[in-house]
Amino acid sequence: GQNIDQPTEMTATEGAIVQINCTYQTSGFNGLFWYQQHAGEAPTFLSYNVLDGLEEKGRFSSFLSRSKGYSYLLLKELQMKDSASYLCAVGYSGAGSYQLTFGKGTKLSVIP
Amino acid sequence: EPEVTQTPSHQVTQMGQEVILRCVPISNHLYFYWYRQILGQKVEFLVSFYNNEISEKSEIFDDQFSVERPDGSNFTLKIRSTKLEDSAMYFCASSAGDSQPQHFGDGTRLSIL
Repeated sequence: GQNIDQPTEMTATEGAIVQINCTYQTSGFNGLFWYQQHAGEAPTFLSYNVLDGLEEKGRFSSFLSRSKGYSYLLLKELQMKDSASYLCAVGYSGAGSYQLTFGKGTKLSVIP
Repeated sequence: EPEVTQTPSHQVTQMGQEVILRCVPISNHLYFYWYRQILGQKVEFLVSFYNNEISEKSEIFDDQFSVERPDGSNFTLKIRSTKLEDSAMYFCASSAGDSQPQHFGDGTRLSIL
């Protein structure tokens, strides 16, 4: 199977910036996605990268380096409502099919 | 904003019984997916569906599972003979293209007794 690694938990202060890292295996790579998941709720799409570089979307940015098998999600001006799990998901293509594999998620706690 | 809808939100079933989980994907999406998430664990891919056939399935998606698109709007997941370990949240998702962002429904919480 495909391995995706991200930190289990992180804590950050309201108003601050936090970076959540994700590393993955590169075989058949076709897109990296970030989702937010509040406890007991569905994953909500945040951002995705297909090519190397930074994608910015308001307070959220995502970076990708395909050669390093590495991505990060950057959250700026943290708010209490940003407390959630952040899921790194990698798309893999092969033999005419496509599959999205999720990491275990990083539980972010935002404190006052 | 268009969204994926799932019914029921919670299903309680006796072990060995059949269940059908229903989903209405976003109307102009062509790719449909089912995932499951056991409590406290990661989201796991079950199956993808395109052009009225399964395009990919995981090891979890064994002979007890099946999917169907019975009409132009619904997409269903059937578990023929449920086991205790099938208890999980089941999410349906859809996307406009196979490498495009997938949008998730609110999920069905399946509890097997």
